[in-house]
Amino acid sequence: GNSVTQMEGPVTLSEEAFLTINCTYTATGYPSLFWYVQYPGEGLQLLLKATKADDKGSNKGFEATYRKETTSFHLEKGSVQVSDSAVYFCALTLAGGTSYGKLTFGQGTILTVHP
Amino acid sequence: ETGVTQSPTHLIKTRGQQVTLRCSSQSGHNTVSWYQQALGQGPQFIFQYYREEENGRGNFPPRFSGLQFPNYSSELNVNALELDDSALYLCASRPPLAGADTQYFGPGTRLTVL
Repeated sequence: GNSVTQMEGPVTLSEEAFLTINCTYTATGYPSLFWYVQYPGEGLQLLLKATKADDKGSNKGFEATYRKETTSFHLEKGSVQVSDSAVYFCALTLAGGTSYGKLTFGQGTILTVHP
Repeated sequence: ETGVTQSPTHLIKTRGQQVTLRCSSQSGHNTVSWYQQALGQGPQFIFQYYREEENGRGNFPPRFSGLQFPNYSSELNVNALELDDSALYLCASRPPLAGADTQYFGPGTRLTVL
């Protein structure tokens, strides 16, 4: 089956530090990959996406590259801000059939950024 | 602001009861999906409705059922509630022909089963 694995445990950083959140996936076929962010009390928001191998998604200073050879989609940001504190979810979807539009999520990574 | 609303915000039920959660999508969004997010976990796909018909389902028992209405609202019904049903329930809608990257999530309903 399809699955997404994120690095375990919360991440705590100081403002302006470099961020990496690891994500690996298992999929039958060629998935599209996503990072979603969930701020306290809010719904999920799409942060960035990549639809094929070697694509780089980017938004708001965050980046992730679709690595087919390592089945990974790690999230990075060069300088985090306090406002980036949230829960980050890696997700995938497969095109076609009844899977169309269905998202498979990782367990989420809590990011806390201190001033 | 995604234009997707859910009600109620919070709900407390006891084991064995039935619950109905509601979602109001953006006008024109003819596909709605429901997800269950247990505490500390990622959302899990429950099912998807397209033009008022279920067209995809995750690993959830039949006591989880849904309805989608012509006015772009939808419901998630759960019968015979169990303690493990305690979770945040999210709905997500998308417009015709849109893929997963064009889904708009609501803020969720927090269900607690005692």
